[in-house]
Amino acid sequence: GESVGLHLPTLSVQEGDNSIINCAYSNSASDYFIWYKQESGKGPQFIIDIRSNMDKRQGQRVTVLLNKTVKHLSLQIAATQPGDSAVYFCAERGYQKVTFGTGTKLQVIP
Amino acid sequence: NAGVTQTPKFQVLKTGQSMTLQCAQDMNHNSMYWYRQDPGMGLRLIYYSASEGTTDKGEVPNGYNVSRLNKREFSLRLESAAPSQTSVYFCASGLDEKETQYFGPGTRLLVL
Repeated sequence: GESVGLHLPTLSVQEGDNSIINCAYSNSASDYFIWYKQESGKGPQFIIDIRSNMDKRQGQRVTVLLNKTVKHLSLQIAATQPGDSAVYFCAERGYQKVTFGTGTKLQVIP
Repeated sequence: NAGVTQTPKFQVLKTGQSMTLQCAQDMNHNSMYWYRQDPGMGLRLIYYSASEGTTDKGEVPNGYNVSRLNKREFSLRLESAAPSQTSVYFCASGLDEKETQYFGPGTRLLVL
């Protein structure tokens, strides 16, 4: 998006390859994590979530991995398609607060 | 279901003008939120309403006011717009404060 894409780290992936987008979170007490996808000019769209009592969760073509030891979250997209091009950001829910990351821009090369 | 809707989509204001951003959700959610999104920064919470009849300040409330009109609607008002309020504004809703938030399409505001 024109107001979100500036100064963001960018991941370029060939169509059909797998994509891995990473997120480091800050609060060890966070108990719930969400990945959002934001296409240019649109609002964030929920993709997948995971609770802190899990280390992996799978959806359709997406997998989220949670490593609480190093406070790291990743989103894996299988067989990346042109329609996956967007900014992806994670969110963590701590005590009474949700914190959003700044995001990674995924570019899919046809 | 339309989900979360916002009006207007775009707005240009002059410094000092006022306006209200409208938000409505049809998912019977209890909690509603207003965020702003600026380049290089994550979404920042302006105000939220945990349930009908309550509102609370978020991270960046200065210069804004809100009204939870009913369970469906949550409006954001700029009484005297400033250039620093140029941003993209998103409304979101969730079943309650602990659950996933779902976002509207945004309002792009330019204050000259």
